Amino acid sequence: KAGVTQTPRYLIKTRGQQVTLSCSPISGHRSVSWYQQTPGQGLQFLFEYFSETQRNKGNFPGRFSGRQFSNSRSEMNVSTLELGDSALYLCASSSHPQGVYGYTFGSGTRLTVV
Amino acid sequence: GESVGLHLPTLSVQEGDNSIINCAYSNSASDYFIWYKQESGKGPQFIIDIRSNMDKRQGQRVTVLLNKTVKHLSLQIAATQPGDSAVYFCAESYTQGGSEKLVFGKGTKLTVNP
Repeated sequence: KAGVTQTPRYLIKTRGQQVTLSCSPISGHRSVSWYQQTPGQGLQFLFEYFSETQRNKGNFPGRFSGRQFSNSRSEMNVSTLELGDSALYLCASSSHPQGVYGYTFGSGTRLTVV
Repeated sequence: GESVGLHLPTLSVQEGDNSIINCAYSNSASDYFIWYKQESGKGPQFIIDIRSNMDKRQGQRVTVLLNKTVKHLSLQIAATQPGDSAVYFCAESYTQGGSEKLVFGKGTKLTVNP
């Protein structure tokens, strides 16, 4: 079956703009989590959605938001982009909340803010 | 607090040697642990997992050891190959405030020299 699909793969934005990233989980998976990955901070949890409800949220400012649709596809949005938002954004899907039986990750969206 | 760390940020081995990647975790209530491998340009990929009621689990060329007494996790890779070059992350899972948490370590970069 198809893996986790993230679009776009690469994105360049300027400071102050907003961006929307998309994630399609593995068919049948209802949990989608988002992570930010930077060289200095590693994998930082952003939020998790399960059956269209946000279950958990990490320590990120309100500029970072997300949602999940009835088909389990998820989007995350970052408004008023800052240079420090440059990172690899990873989406992970799981059949159970919080990946407690393991996640399957997508290849990520590389966001560069200039 | 959330703290899953690695003893060595980088590890360089010769092809054919065995590799050992270590991970210290801080939450004694963690009951599930996962190792992920992340190759350049890709998302993390599940390698092997272990539950807290076990101290050893073997996969194909990989073995995970869990020492709950000292809160230590290790990943052993037998006969390391160039394709094993990647960043390896450990992750611990525990329940906090009624919801499950999955916390990742910062990663160890493994380089396999031919």
